[in-house]
Amino acid sequence: SQTIHQWPATLVQPVGSPLSLECTVEGTSNPNLYWYRQAAGRGLQLLFYSVGIGQISSEVPQNLSASRPQDRQFILSSKKLLLSDSGFYLCAWSVNGGGSYEQYFGPGTRLTVT
Amino acid sequence: LAKTTQPISMDSYEGQEVNITCSHNNIATNDYITWYQQFPSQGPRFIIQGYKTKVTNEVASLFIPADRKSSTLSLPRVSLSDTAVYYCLVGDEDSNYQLIWGAGTKLIIKP
Repeated sequence: SQTIHQWPATLVQPVGSPLSLECTVEGTSNPNLYWYRQAAGRGLQLLFYSVGIGQISSEVPQNLSASRPQDRQFILSSKKLLLSDSGFYLCAWSVNGGGSYEQYFGPGTRLTVT
Repeated sequence: LAKTTQPISMDSYEGQEVNITCSHNNIATNDYITWYQQFPSQGPRFIIQGYKTKVTNEVASLFIPADRKSSTLSLPRVSLSDTAVYYCLVGDEDSNYQLIWGAGTKLIIKP
């Protein structure tokens, strides 16, 4: 069966510090991978998606970046965090292609920028 | 970009049937309609997906009219544990990967 891992579960970082969140998927190959952010009481905002190693598409201009160094690894990074980067970060995967958006989400990382 | 519209919140009582409707006027021809459930501090969980007419699983039913410009999630005999935020997800006609999430409907089930 497939599983998705995210870490850390919670993170408190000062403004201006770097960020690295990691997501890994097990039990499937060549998945689509996604990073979302959710502000308190709001819906999901798609940040990045990837259809393959090294292929990253950005949905929202910001100080965040994503990388996919391996087939089942997706990393979200920032060189300098802003207060507005606080939120609940979710990684997800789906089967590649077909117009089907059945996604499977990780447990999330709660980021607080102080 | 396509937009989806859902009621912001709904209340119901245990044992009742709950219907949540999502409007999606620009749905892509080949795309599916997918609904998710989210509890606080958790990632969304897939509920049901459909393309046309009616789909039913052990959790819910999904009704989609012929023009596919809307969909209705039906939860039979809800319980307190169904209190959550429900999202509908559709594709966008301009890009396969522009995933448009509705704002979500906060469903509160009362005893």
